[in-house]
Amino acid sequence: SQQGEEDPQALSIQEGENATMNCSYKTSINNLQWYRQNSGRGLVHLILIRSNEREKHSGRLRVTLDTSKKSSSLLITASRAADTASYFCATYTGTASKLTFGTGTRLQVTL
Amino acid sequence: SQTIHQWPATLVQPVGSPLSLECTVEGTSNPNLYWYRQAAGRGLQLLFYSVGIGQISSEVPQNLSASRPQDRQFILSSKKLLLSDSGFYLCAWKDTAGGKLFFGSGTQLSVL
Repeated sequence: SQQGEEDPQALSIQEGENATMNCSYKTSINNLQWYRQNSGRGLVHLILIRSNEREKHSGRLRVTLDTSKKSSSLLITASRAADTASYFCATYTGTASKLTFGTGTRLQVTL
Repeated sequence: SQTIHQWPATLVQPVGSPLSLECTVEGTSNPNLYWYRQAAGRGLQLLFYSVGIGQISSEVPQNLSASRPQDRQFILSSKKLLLSDSGFYLCAWKDTAGGKLFFGSGTQLSVL
């Protein structure tokens, strides 16, 4: 079963707009991670936010974490066509070794 | 620097045939290793993970198995493939210091 559920499942925006993706999870966490996957490729780690952090930035990425609501959001500002990809949140469940991924958000950025 | 190699990139196999997918990691010692499967347009399903040589944790009961004969080698196998084994298989290793995973480029398996 999936630990995380991303929302929306798919998102289509124009270049220059901001894209926001949400992730909800079920169990308590030590950290939450976001990954990106281009079509037909492996996943690439984007950012990790710890449970005692509320917000984190990396370039055009902004991640927030609300442990009381068991939710996180990923904001991509000033999106580019190259940001077109699927984005997944992930958390460790059960053990410190088992990383479980959400269902993903497919982002399409058009010119 | 660390690298992960996964092959082959694509594979077409008949139902009932065996399977062996190999993954190797370079530039790190005693990594945690993972096999995930992804159905088309879907999320990742954790199949197996390993915290050391010969130590395999299975997450999904199925006709697949995994082995770790060497510290940096992780193999996914099946004796007889099913149609439902089709999918995109991803190997990954874990940076134990930071907790993030590094993924291989994946194998697209089609069972016909």
